[in-house]
Amino acid sequence: DTGVSQDPRHKITKRGQNVTFRCDPISEHNRLYWYRQTLGQGPEFLTYFQNEAQLEKSRLLSDRFSAERPKGSFSTLEIQRTEQGDSAMYLCASSGDATNYEQYFGPGTRLTVT
Amino acid sequence: DAKTTQPNSMESNEEEPVHLPCNHSTISGTDYIHWYRQLPSQGPEYVIHGLTSNVNNRMASLAIAEDRKSSTLILHRATLRDAAVYYCILRDRKREKLTFGTGTRLTIIP
Repeated sequence: DTGVSQDPRHKITKRGQNVTFRCDPISEHNRLYWYRQTLGQGPEFLTYFQNEAQLEKSRLLSDRFSAERPKGSFSTLEIQRTEQGDSAMYLCASSGDATNYEQYFGPGTRLTVT
Repeated sequence: DAKTTQPNSMESNEEEPVHLPCNHSTISGTDYIHWYRQLPSQGPEYVIHGLTSNVNNRMASLAIAEDRKSSTLILHRATLRDAAVYYCILRDRKREKLTFGTGTRLTIIP
């Protein structure tokens, strides 16, 4: 499989619980991105990694959100003390070693906070 | 980030060409014009991008106005599989993030 994979595909959690999502990028890609998408809206940028370095974070990424990419390969996105407003599709994308290369998106993790 | 304006929705008949417009009057000299599409229940998919000249690839063509304040994505022969939300995005060549709007929902009529 040469695409971006995300796990889990669906997650239902109760308000206040912590959740963690995983993204496996295309193997030779050194750039990795997280986006969030709510119903009827386009994806919103959350954060970006080049190898293991987190180089940009959106203001949307509150202190309850943390993303890591410890060895420059897979990445995790953790949300602590989830709120109902966190319900969304969380999308991961990766791209190759040059600015303006196309981003390849995974299928997303749909989070529902009850 | 410079903004783009697209129609909310469009319809087209199967096997006919489709022209999807995008206005970006505040585009800067370092902005590339990118198009992505999102099929139902999938992540976005890259379609095409360009800077000044028209571009062609196996999926589509991108026609860029001479003043770069507008562009048109052209699907030469629409199929049912092309039904999706199409996003026109301005991406600064020095920035990594994509800033999506609400896009154009394209419906293909059999």
